[in-house]
Amino acid sequence: EDKVVQSPLSLVVHEGDTVTLNCSYEVTNFRSLLWYKQEKKAPTFLFMLTSSGIEKKSGRLSSILDKKELFSILNITATQTGDSAVYLCAWPQGGSEKLVFGKGTKLTVNP
Amino acid sequence: DSGVTQTPKHLITATGQRVTLRCSPRSGDLSVYWYQQSLDQGLQFLIQYYNGEERAKGNILERFSAQQFPDLHSELNLSSLELGDSALYFCASSATGGGDQPQHFGDGTRLSIL
Repeated sequence: EDKVVQSPLSLVVHEGDTVTLNCSYEVTNFRSLLWYKQEKKAPTFLFMLTSSGIEKKSGRLSSILDKKELFSILNITATQTGDSAVYLCAWPQGGSEKLVFGKGTKLTVNP
Repeated sequence: DSGVTQTPKHLITATGQRVTLRCSPRSGDLSVYWYQQSLDQGLQFLIQYYNGEERAKGNILERFSAQQFPDLHSELNLSSLELGDSALYFCASSATGGGDQPQHFGDGTRLSIL
């Protein structure tokens, strides 16, 4: 059965810390993996990863995919309270493109 | 702002009733997806439309139906509502629906069944 597993489920840090969120997957017909940030409302798209070893960056956030070991990490450097959210990784299930989501990592950044 | 518009933002109704949720995709996007998010189930895919045609179905109940209109907006109809249908319902859109473009989500409709 295809699955996407995120760890940790919850993380509490102080402002300025660097965090690493993990997403491992066991899926058939892998094509891409996506990261989303969800605060109180809509999941907001962060990254789409298709190639192994190529880092994607956006400001203090970066992400990389390892297709051999079947995982992805999301790094956030110099965290701010505004980074507090649930971070979701998702995989578009082949053929239908429906997104299968992990349970998410709830990040809390304290001042 | 993702560019995906959902209405209404909140809906409160009673068991047994029927409601319609509306979604306007981002300009230029042809594919629309509906997801349900409840506390215990996380984000669950319901159904996808591409350019007016149904493309994929998830674990959508028979009491639920959807359609995409020629102007590409979509509606999700929920009938014979039960307490367990209380959830956040999200619409997302993508340019092609082929998995090579990310999906962008609207702010959702929070449905509360009393």
